Amino acid sequence: EAQVTQNPRYLITVTGKKLTVTCSQNMNHEYMSWYRQDPGLGLRQIYYSMNVEVTDKGDVPEGYKVSRKEKRNFPLILESPSPNQTSLYFCASSSGLAGPGDTQYFGPGTRLTVL
Amino acid sequence: KQEVTQIPAALSVPEGENLVLNCSFTDSAIYNLQWFRQDPGKGLTSLLLIQSSQREQTSGRLNASLDKSSGRSTLYIAASQPGDSATYLCAGSFGEYGNKLVFGAGTILRVKS
Repeated sequence: EAQVTQNPRYLITVTGKKLTVTCSQNMNHEYMSWYRQDPGLGLRQIYYSMNVEVTDKGDVPEGYKVSRKEKRNFPLILESPSPNQTSLYFCASSSGLAGPGDTQYFGPGTRLTVL
Repeated sequence: KQEVTQIPAALSVPEGENLVLNCSFTDSAIYNLQWFRQDPGKGLTSLLLIQSSQREQTSGRLNASLDKSSGRSTLYIAASQPGDSATYLCAGSFGEYGNKLVFGAGTILRVKS
């Protein structure tokens, strides 16, 4: 089954404790991206990757890092989480060779709480 | 900075009614526009994708239009059903290759049986 998987689905952590949220897709997609969803603010793009050689910042990259060593994986890293990073996070992928020019497929989401 | 706005924020209609959801964007240099559905506690499901060179797309009871000159897109849902109840999001792709996806805040739709 074609899908985007995220782990963990739920995470409660404390301020300053480094964490990684994994994202993996099995559709051989070039383009992958991370978003956060907050009430009243909608979804906002954190980082995106056009392919394994190119990653770039979205609208809200501060406090986040990403890595694209393999085509299928695109982990989101929070080096020193803070309470304002409490949010619902989504990973997405698409086959667009030079961008999200095709249908975006979203993962199920990761609900992160930083105390 | 590109912005995407959706109105109304919420809509409640009786079953069987045809309805229109609106989406507007500030940058006419849009690469494409997508409509998504989000159910409570779930991820997003793509409904329709309209490339910048297209005017509309149809899938079953759904029809989406795109007017770049006026910065507007509409999602038309025919003969609404209770199962259509969800949050509907539109998102525009911007940038040289449409790399940046900007979402509207969504319209919460409730179809009453």
